[in-house]
Amino acid sequence: AQSVTQLDSHVSVSEGTPVLLRCNYSSSYSPSLFWYVQHPNKGLQLLLKYTSAATLVKGINGFEAEFKKSETSFHLTKPSAHMSDAAEYFCVVTPGNAGNMLTFGGGTRLMVKP
Amino acid sequence: SQTIHQWPATLVQPVGSPLSLECTVEGTSNPNLYWYRQAAGRGLQLLFYSVGIGQISSEVPQNLSASRPQDRQFILSSKKLLLSDSGFYLCAWRRTAGPLHFGNGTRLTVT
Repeated sequence: AQSVTQLDSHVSVSEGTPVLLRCNYSSSYSPSLFWYVQHPNKGLQLLLKYTSAATLVKGINGFEAEFKKSETSFHLTKPSAHMSDAAEYFCVVTPGNAGNMLTFGGGTRLMVKP
Repeated sequence: SQTIHQWPATLVQPVGSPLSLECTVEGTSNPNLYWYRQAAGRGLQLLFYSVGIGQISSEVPQNLSASRPQDRQFILSSKKLLLSDSGFYLCAWRRTAGPLHFGNGTRLTVT
């Protein structure tokens, strides 16, 4: 069994300040983990992925995430928020044994204030 | 490179009318295909997935159905739409154990 918990449904930051979106997971297998971003009325875009290689993963648009097995976390960070980062973010886990099922977190809405 | 096409982008249909949403993938073969629905302000709900032609797994009992007539074509259908079918429908593909790649979605409003 697997599950994903995004600890904050809403996060508000000021432009130019750091972003932290938190994700905790549970998985019976060594997981693969992903972060997606969704702008209004758009599909989900892959930001980054962890697939058992380097634990610090760099993605697009300056985002990165660190896989911490001991804490079962995969938090998304960005040093400096931009107005265009305002969107919904989803953390996703899938079992690393090539299983077909992906589990989505409930999403975190990021708001960026000018 | 791989691309996914989903249409139409928006659709307004009356209650009781049929539905057909189409999704096609280019640049890869034998992808796993998925249909998700996203209600307003909520997360994603998996509706159907397919690991090959004619192979459909349903995750949620409802009045929707899916078909995969060709390797890279995935169709979501309904014979009679309900008000509760309104939502944002997303098609996606992936290689086994890889990330999902989403289409741009279809906004369905049932009136």
